[in-house]
Amino acid sequence: QVQLVESGGGVVQPGGSLRLSCAASGFTFSSYGMLWVRQAPGKGLEWVAFISYDGSHKYYADSVKGRFTISRDNSQNTLFLQMNSLRPEDTAVFYCAKDAVSKVTTAYYMDVWGKGTTVTVSS
Amino acid sequence: DIQMTQSPSSLSASVGDRVSITCRASQIISSHLNWYQQKPGKAPKLLIYAASSLQSGVPSRFSGSGFGTDFTLTISSLQPEDFATYYCQQSYITPITFGQGTRLDIK
Repeated sequence: QVQLVESGGGVVQPGGSLRLSCAASGFTFSSYGMLWVRQAPGKGLEWVAFISYDGSHKYYADSVKGRFTISRDNSQNTLFLQMNSLRPEDTAVFYCAKDAVSKVTTAYYMDVWGKGTTVTVSS
Repeated sequence: DIQMTQSPSSLSASVGDRVSITCRASQIISSHLNWYQQKPGKAPKLLIYAASSLQSGVPSRFSGSGFGTDFTLTISSLQPEDFATYYCQQSYITPITFGQGTRLDIK
């Protein structure tokens, strides 16, 4: 079945780095854009980043631009989020999600979500 | 950025009630509006896309309407499993933005 499994979360000090991964299965990964969405404790959903199916287009929320980098390895069916210069306000559950529309270079809507991985930025 | 404003922020209702949640965009987004349901400790689940299209597997008691800036999610007859938080999301332009959420509680 279609599945997304995130990993790589943990506790990191302010200014530190983490790399999140999202392993995809059950669909043609290389045909779909992918997104990261986060949710701070007790708060709503916040879009973080999008990467097109072929990696040629990447978009970021202003809150993470210049600190986070989204990438993908279509040969390994894996999505990544490199997070540098982490701040306490980055503390959240990070979800990877699949765009529902194939072979497009912008995000539409997310029809498959992972269970999330928790990132805690604290000294 | 396009701001998405949901109302109400919270809502109490009973099983069998008909409820509606509204979402207003700060600018015209055509029909690029999607709705998600999230239960505590779980990932969001897509309910409605393109304002009024029901996602596969979602019960028909859920429906969406609207165009332009004003949108509505309606649940025709609440079931116990529908008590959750609901989010709207615009996909008209990046940055993608979500509403602040509407928490639906049991009365």
